[in-house]
Amino acid sequence: DIQMTQSPSTLSASVGDRITITCRASQSISSWLAWYQQKPGKAPKLLIYKASGLESGVPSRFSGSGSATEFTLTISSLQPDDFATYYCQQYNNYPWTFGQGTKVEIK
Amino acid sequence: EVQLVQSGAEVKKPGESLKISCKGSAYSFSNSWIAWVRQMPGGGLEWMGSIYPGDSDTKYSPSCQGQVTISADKSISTAYLQWSSLKASDTAIYYCTRLATGGSGFDYWGQGTLVTVS
Repeated sequence: DIQMTQSPSTLSASVGDRITITCRASQSISSWLAWYQQKPGKAPKLLIYKASGLESGVPSRFSGSGSATEFTLTISSLQPDDFATYYCQQYNNYPWTFGQGTKVEIK
Repeated sequence: EVQLVQSGAEVKKPGESLKISCKGSAYSFSNSWIAWVRQMPGGGLEWMGSIYPGDSDTKYSPSCQGQVTISADKSISTAYLQWSSLKASDTAIYYCTRLATGGSGFDYWGQGTLVTVS
């Protein structure tokens, strides 16, 4: 199985901050990586697909980059609605696997 | 608008069987993979398996293979996740989700079904 490791596990930040979350794959997954946002009690929401594709309707302050084994999700200016947990997911090889999540908290 | 609507919360005893459902609408149900994703209390997301309703091709996570059965009835645009003998460790929220065209991530999600085994 491909292991997905996110860092940090928790991130404390303020409104307006630029933040970056990293996701590392245990082997190359090309660009078959997605990022999701999940708020408490809600289903996950797709933000980024194929490492850098912005899902329709997602604000442009969200961006993704990377390939092979190292990927990042960046929020350019954190907004109150962005405090949530973020997950990466590889869909290059079965079984598809998620990172453990990064909780973005208010500082 | 594309929607995935899941069946309601369930409370079961260990050893009981269960089948939960996920009904798709406003898209060609047969032509998109549907996945089931588990989220245990306070935990992260775990892909359990996927099915292509058009031909019932099914993939399972090794940790779920033999523990659950994923199926679909394309005539009623519904996918299913079932257990023959529940365990307390099956307590979780189960989400169905659609794989976007071109494999561009899981773009639509059901509201989740809470299964409590106690």
